[in-house]
Amino acid sequence: QKEVEQNSGPLSVPEGAIASLNCTYSDRGSQSFFWYRQYSGKSPELIMSIYSNGDKEDGRFTAQLNKASQYVSLLIRDSQPSDSATYLCAVTRDAGGTSYGKLTFGQGTILTVHP
Amino acid sequence: GAGVSQTPSNKVTEKGKYVELRCDPISGHTALYWYRQSLGQGPEFLIYFQGTGAADDSGLPNDRFFAVRPEGSVSTLKIQRTERGDSAVYLCASSFTGDTEAFFGQGTRLTVV
Repeated sequence: QKEVEQNSGPLSVPEGAIASLNCTYSDRGSQSFFWYRQYSGKSPELIMSIYSNGDKEDGRFTAQLNKASQYVSLLIRDSQPSDSATYLCAVTRDAGGTSYGKLTFGQGTILTVHP
Repeated sequence: GAGVSQTPSNKVTEKGKYVELRCDPISGHTALYWYRQSLGQGPEFLIYFQGTGAADDSGLPNDRFFAVRPEGSVSTLKIQRTERGDSAVYLCASSFTGDTEAFFGQGTRLTVV
C-alpha cells in the first residue's frame, strides 16, 4: 500500500463545474496536509494547507480533512481551463501547523477543465 | 535570485558516468531539500539540509547518491555510476527555515542512456 494515494485520473470537468480531488494516507502520525498544483513541465506550487479536521476555504479552493478516516480532499469551485494541471497531495509527520519540506507525495491526479 | 535556480535544466549522460546537479536556493533560505520525480509520479524526498549539514538523508536510494552544501547556500547532488533507472526530474526546494513553505525550482531532467 502506498503511503499517500490519490484518486486515479485523469479527471475531466466542464468549465464552471466543481472538481473534486481525493487523497488517502496510511500514516496515522501525519499531522500536516498540503495540495500542490503542477503545470506540465513546471515545478509544484503550494495552493492549500490544512492541519485540523474540517474544511478550509481559500477563494475557489476548499480543502477538507478527516483524520479518523485518513482522508483529505480538495474541491475547486467554478473550475476554469487555467486550473488544468496535475494536483499533488502531500503529507508530513511534523506537527505544529508548519510547512516542513520533508513531504510524502501522492502520485498526482491530472485535471482537465474543458470550455 | 528571485527563485530557486537549478542547473542544468537538462542533462543526458551515458550509463556508468558521474553527474552533478546544482541548486541555488532563494537568498537567505537556510533549509534546502532535494526531491526526485519520475514520470507520472509525485516527488520523492531524497535529502534535507539545514545550513551546511544534512539533517535528514533517509531518502537517498543508495550510496551512489551524495549531496553537499559546503557554505550553506548552493547545493550539489552527485550521482556516481549512473543507471538508466536514475532517469527522472530532480527537484530542489528551499525555505527560510525548516518550518516554512518550501519553494521549488524548475528541476533538472536527467536522462541516462
